[in-house]
Amino acid sequence: EDQVTQSPEALRLQEGESSSLNCSYTVSGLRGLFWYRQDPGKGPEFLFTLYSAGEEKEKERLKATLTKKESFLHITAPKPEDSATYLCAVRTNQAGTALIFGKGTTLSVSS
Amino acid sequence: NAGVTQTPKFRVLKTGQSMTLLCAQDMNHEYMYWYRQDPGMGLRLIHYSVGEGTTAKGEVPDGYNVSRLKKQNFLLGLESAAPSQTSVYFCASSYDPSGDRSTDTQYFGPGTRLTVL
Repeated sequence: EDQVTQSPEALRLQEGESSSLNCSYTVSGLRGLFWYRQDPGKGPEFLFTLYSAGEEKEKERLKATLTKKESFLHITAPKPEDSATYLCAVRTNQAGTALIFGKGTTLSVSS
Repeated sequence: NAGVTQTPKFRVLKTGQSMTLLCAQDMNHEYMYWYRQDPGMGLRLIHYSVGEGTTAKGEVPDGYNVSRLKKQNFLLGLESAAPSQTSVYFCASSYDPSGDRSTDTQYFGPGTRLTVL
């Protein structure tokens, strides 16, 4: 069964304190790994897609990386506006068109 | 370009009542999806559609029906609401997840918060 696990569940950082969020997956065949950001009361907002081990993508203070078993979302020098829940999802050979989501990591950045 | 919109934003039902949630997208996307999000559960797929006139079941389809009469609209129906259907419902769309990698991203709407008493 395809599974996605995100850790930690919650992360509190001081402004400027860099850290990483983890998304580990056990799937039948990875067709893509997606990162989304979700603010309270809003829908998920697309951030990145990664397809192959070794691939990296960056956007402002965020950098996503992918290995054969997990993905990391690195946050460099975070600001309070980076506070949100970050969701990881995968497309797999077994699931077809559907996305399988992890439960998310809630990030709080204080000034 | 509004993206994906959902109607209504909030709704309260009594057990046994019925309702329809409307999703609309203006991106000319072929695929549309309905998810529900519950605390501690993550997003789970209810139903999806790969094109006008087609629908398919997702992970948690029981108690829901869907219709895709027009390419830009995807409706989610609850025939007889139950308290277990209290959740936040999200609609999403993508161009063609079976095609080029640039077309498989799912874009989400703002959600509908449904409470069933």
